[in-house]
Amino acid sequence: DVKVTQSSRYLVKRTGEKVFLECVQDMDHENMFWYRQDPGLGLRLIYFSYDVKMKEKGDIPEGYSVSREKKERFSLILESASTNQTSMYLCASSLSEGLSSYEQYFGPGTRLTVT
Amino acid sequence: AQTVTQSQPEMSVQEAETVTLSCTYDTSESDYYLFWYKQPPSRQMILVIRQEAYKQQNATENRFSVNFQKAAKSFSLKISDSQLGDAAMYFCAYRSETSDRGSTLGRLYFGRGTQLTVWP
Repeated sequence: DVKVTQSSRYLVKRTGEKVFLECVQDMDHENMFWYRQDPGLGLRLIYFSYDVKMKEKGDIPEGYSVSREKKERFSLILESASTNQTSMYLCASSLSEGLSSYEQYFGPGTRLTVT
Repeated sequence: AQTVTQSQPEMSVQEAETVTLSCTYDTSESDYYLFWYKQPPSRQMILVIRQEAYKQQNATENRFSVNFQKAAKSFSLKISDSQLGDAAMYFCAYRSETSDRGSTLGRLYFGRGTQLTVWP
């Protein structure tokens, strides 16, 4: 089975701190994604990556950056955390070709609270 | 960008009954894919069912089936014989074949979700 893991289930940080959220997948997927999930807003795409060292902005990239140095790992970085970044963060991965590319596999999520 | 609309923030159903969750989307593309994802409480999001737009036949996975109306841009999920384990947040999603910049990543656009409660 595909496994997507995220470094923390719950995280509490202070305003202004630099925050790293890590995501690892074990199925050699080319594509990786970071979403944030807020009540009543669904999932919104922050950034995605289709290859090592490649990245593209999603719908809400402001205040975030990403890093993909290895194929299996995709990091989301909050350079200076703010209270409006309190949210659930979901990582996902998928293949880039073939029928299997149609499914994104999700991690368990990290609930980040910024105080 | 494509938009996906789930007009029912909450739905409820009695165990063993049938419930239908609604989803509409807006697109100018002819080839695309539609999905229903399920997110149980405190658990990971999983794929429930997938529909290819070029297929006229509605997808079915056991108790889950869809009613895909391409002209109406409607994609509803029917859950038959509802079980307590079906209680979850359900998200409808659209997969484009190209991103806005022309790359073939196939990103997903999600609706805002429908919270399904199943009563015993």
